Amino acid sequence: SQTIHQWPATLVQPVGSPLSLECTVEGTSNPNLYWYRQAAGRGLQLLFYSVGIGQISSEVPQNLSASRPQDRQFILSSKKLLLSDSGFYLCAWIPGSYEQYFGPGTRLTVT
Amino acid sequence: GQNIDQPTEMTATEGAIVQINCTYQTSGFNGLFWYQQHAGEAPTFLSYNVLDGLEEKGRFSSFLSRSKGYSYLLLKELQMKDSASYLCAVGASGGSYIPTFGRGTSLIVHP
Repeated sequence: SQTIHQWPATLVQPVGSPLSLECTVEGTSNPNLYWYRQAAGRGLQLLFYSVGIGQISSEVPQNLSASRPQDRQFILSSKKLLLSDSGFYLCAWIPGSYEQYFGPGTRLTVT
Repeated sequence: GQNIDQPTEMTATEGAIVQINCTYQTSGFNGLFWYQQHAGEAPTFLSYNVLDGLEEKGRFSSFLSRSKGYSYLLLKELQMKDSASYLCAVGASGGSYIPTFGRGTSLIVHP
């Protein structure tokens, strides 16, 4: 079966610390993968998407970066977190036609 | 570019019917999606419309008019568990597939 995993589920990090969030998918090959952020009370903001290994497109300038070292692995990183990086981070993929399916998400609080 | 507009909040009574509207402007169109998101959870896929008309799926139906840039999600026989945020998303055609999400409509169902 096709599934998507994210970890950790929750994270509290101090300002200026690094970040690494991981997303992996199972049951498919060469999926389109996406990272979104959802700030409190706001909509989904697309951060990065990837159509293949090593292929990353950034949608907005920010304090974050993404990498896709393996076909089914997508990583979101930061060298130094800002308060404004707090939010709900969601990884998504498209296993079939066009509908996206989301991982369980990581709630990040930067203190 | 794309612009998606939906009401911020709606309230309804258990057992009633509610219609959540979504209007969009897009340079290319490749389908309209509705997602449900309960508080603290990831969005889950509800429906997909690419042709004009009504798609029915149990208590939920979704309608699309491409010429008017308009869609609605109809929820019948409302239940308390339907209290959630409902996200409208539009897929653009051409190049990599990048869906754009509206800010979501928070639906509150009360007894």
